[in-house]
Amino acid sequence: AQTVTQSQPEMSVQEAETVTLSCTYDTSESNYYLFWYKQPPSRQMILVIRQEAYKQQNATENRFSVNFQKAAKSFSLKISDSQLGDTAMYFCAFMKHQGGSEKLVFGKGTKLTVNP
Amino acid sequence: KAGVTQTPRYLIKTRGQQVTLSCSPISGHRSVSWYQQTPGQGLQFLFEYFSETQRNKGNFPGRFSGRQFSNSRSEMNVSTLELGDSALYLCASSDRGGFTEAFFGQGTRLTVV
Repeated sequence: AQTVTQSQPEMSVQEAETVTLSCTYDTSESNYYLFWYKQPPSRQMILVIRQEAYKQQNATENRFSVNFQKAAKSFSLKISDSQLGDTAMYFCAFMKHQGGSEKLVFGKGTKLTVNP
Repeated sequence: KAGVTQTPRYLIKTRGQQVTLSCSPISGHRSVSWYQQTPGQGLQFLFEYFSETQRNKGNFPGRFSGRQFSNSRSEMNVSTLELGDSALYLCASSDRGGFTEAFFGQGTRLTVV
């Protein structure tokens, strides 16, 4: 079974600074997807960024980028130029690539607070 | 395009009762998944439906069930409610277009008293 571990329950950062959230996972699969989801107080889960395991290039989406280390099974999220609106719970998630089924396995989350 | 819609947003039920939650996916999406979110256990996968068929099921007791209709709308049912069923229930839909992205609704907050 796959597991996802987020070792930082809470983090804080000053506005405009950079913060990195950690995520490690355990799987025997070779082909899979990794995601970072954001859950603000409104509760709606929003996809921040995704990575296909077979791609060596790290994904980037504007101020968000990942450091994907497949051998180390590590998938960290870097948020640059942090904004107050980035305050939220961040969840790392794993999805096995297979013909059917879309099961996401989530970590416990990191609560990020951006301070003015 | 309208997003994923979950109804109701809030629900209070008594132990022993049953409850039905509804999820309307994004138009064109055929896959609907359900997750339970609690402070203690985090986000846990309940089940996934695709074209009215359950494709995968998480480790939940048989009191948790679901179904999907021909228009892809999905319902989940919890019978004989327990206090521990109090949670945020999230629904996600995707279009199965290869590298899929799950779009989540705002959830239904269920409180069992």
